[in-house]
Amino acid sequence: KAGVTQTPRYLIKTRGQQVTLSCSPISGHRSVSWYQQTPGQGLQFLFEYFSETQRNKGNFPGRFSGRQFSNSRSEMNVSTLELGDSALYLCASRRDRDGSYEQYFGPGTRLTVT
Amino acid sequence: KNQVEQSPQSLIILEGKNCTLQCNYTVSPFSNLRWYKQDTGRGPVSLTIMTFSENTKSNGRYTATLDADTKQSSLHITASQLSDSASYICVVSAITGANNLFFGTGTRLTVIP
Repeated sequence: KAGVTQTPRYLIKTRGQQVTLSCSPISGHRSVSWYQQTPGQGLQFLFEYFSETQRNKGNFPGRFSGRQFSNSRSEMNVSTLELGDSALYLCASRRDRDGSYEQYFGPGTRLTVT
Repeated sequence: KNQVEQSPQSLIILEGKNCTLQCNYTVSPFSNLRWYKQDTGRGPVSLTIMTFSENTKSNGRYTATLDADTKQSSLHITASQLSDSASYICVVSAITGANNLFFGTGTRLTVIP
């Protein structure tokens, strides 16, 4: 069974640009969550999608947005990039939203903003 | 307020030695607690999962304990190896709530030869 996949794995952008990251969850998983991870900050929750609807949102500005498609694949978009957006962006999927279900992480997309 | 706190923030040990990482939480109502290992630049990988009724769970050289009364968990690593160098993240799940996963900031473990 294939794991969570994320594309691209690495990305370099300049300030002011926008970027779209993609996540394909494990087959059968309907919940997809996105996290930002920077050194010393730990995993910061961005948002969670379930059945194409955003169910929960973290404390990030409106420049961060996402969506989920009918096949559960998800994309995350960051507009007007800032230097502070440089981070590892992790996607995680789980079968359902119930806390008893394990969350599986993808390898991440390393975004560098110059 | 639901929180997860881990200690120490970082740890350096010699290869072959044992170590113990701590996780304290205030998440309620509690569903389960997971320990993840995250290698640098990679996604976290689950090591153990423990529910309310479980006190100890092992995965090879990793042994997790849970005291649901004091809301504390520990991850004990035996006979450390260089490949154990990673961040270890404690994640606590609540039974209900729009946001039902709570993450610790992790312990950065470095094993040196």
